Amino acid sequence: GDSVTQMEGPVTLSEEAFLTINCTYTATGYPSLFWYVQYPGEGLQLLLKATKADDKGSNKGFEATYRKETTSFHLEKGSVQVSDSAVYFCALTANTPLVFGKGTRLSVIA
Amino acid sequence: NAGVTQTPKFQVLKTGQSMTLQCAQDMNHEYMSWYRQDPGMGLRLIHYSVGAGITDQGEVPNGYNVSRSTTEDFPLRLLSAAPSQTSVYFCASSKGQFGGQPQHFGDGTRLSIL
Repeated sequence: GDSVTQMEGPVTLSEEAFLTINCTYTATGYPSLFWYVQYPGEGLQLLLKATKADDKGSNKGFEATYRKETTSFHLEKGSVQVSDSAVYFCALTANTPLVFGKGTRLSVIA
Repeated sequence: NAGVTQTPKFQVLKTGQSMTLQCAQDMNHEYMSWYRQDPGMGLRLIHYSVGAGITDQGEVPNGYNVSRSTTEDFPLRLLSAAPSQTSVYFCASSKGQFGGQPQHFGDGTRLSIL
């Protein structure tokens, strides 16, 4: 079945550091790919999405590019802030309910 | 905008008790779903619905029942609570069934079974 694998956390970075969170997927067909973010004590919020190969999703300084050849959707940000501390989930849907990765906890220290 | 509203936010039950977790959305979304979130496990789909009167099982449906009598509401019932059901439960809704439609999540219900 469809699956998402993302890098294990936690990830701890200093403010203004570069962030990469790796995500790879296995799916039949042509899935849509998402990154969701969960701040402490809250539900998940959509961060960005891409619906076809080579699409780049972006929001709040975060970016991810849909790479069909490597089945990847890595999340990047050039300069993280303390307010970016959260859990990040990669997810996909291929005409199925959303399938999530296990999440990566990011802590940014001042 | 209320979005997706879950009640209660916290609940403690004893083994064997039953309860219903409520979920309501005011966006006229056809698709609704329930997930549970456990440490190191991500979110796992319990049940979902593609419209009023239609429900289907997800990855971990055992011990849970759902019904969808209206577009707005999608309650999750625990018939006989077990400690293994201690978790954080999230309800979500989206406009379309699947595909590129983003899902909107509630703030969660934190459930402890003693």
